[in-house]
Amino acid sequence: NFMLTQPHSVSESPGKTVTVSCTGSGGSIASNYVQWYQQRPGRAPTTVIYEDKQRPSGVPDRFSGSIDSSSNSASLTISGLKTEDEADYYCQSYHSSNWVFGGGTKLTVL
Amino acid sequence: EVQLLESGGGLVQPGGSLRLSCAASGFTFNNYAMTWVRQAPGKGLEWVSHTIGSGGSTFYADSVKGRFTISRDNSRNTLYLQMNSLRAEDTAVYYCAKVNGYSGYVADHWGQGTLVTVSS
Repeated sequence: NFMLTQPHSVSESPGKTVTVSCTGSGGSIASNYVQWYQQRPGRAPTTVIYEDKQRPSGVPDRFSGSIDSSSNSASLTISGLKTEDEADYYCQSYHSSNWVFGGGTKLTVL
Repeated sequence: EVQLLESGGGLVQPGGSLRLSCAASGFTFNNYAMTWVRQAPGKGLEWVSHTIGSGGSTFYADSVKGRFTISRDNSRNTLYLQMNSLRAEDTAVYYCAKVNGYSGYVADHWGQGTLVTVSS
């Protein structure tokens, strides 16, 4: 079974840059697109990156996505961190018609 | 503006049934796949089910296969999730989400969710 693994938590200071990783197992992460969703406490998820590196309208260019086939991983990078970026972040892809979510990473901006 | 409004959640006993609805507006409903995603209390997101724009193809997570049925009424712009034989582990907030194409795997808009609690 294809799985996506994320670190449980990351933290960084305002103004800095942080990268959240998403490692695939049971298949190649580069075979299908990866999306990233942001979920602030008590709120529904929103999409911040789709199709590996595309940003929906309204998402600032501080958010970027990438794929590294050599490590079978995807990454979400947030630069110029703001306190409002504090949230849970989930990667998502698909395999054999099934959606697959990573376990989520709690980003603390302190 | 895309809007998705879930309803139908509530408290149900183990073994019981519930039907969730997701009323959609702001886009041509039958042109887009739709998906259900749930989140147990304090846990991460878990995909539940998915249907293409026509409703002609449906897909389920192993954890709900045979118990849940996804459907859509394109004349009413509404997505449904019929949940039978409910278990305590089905307790979660259930989100419907619009997909960014007729078929596909990118959720571009999400509803606010409806809470399902399975308990005696």
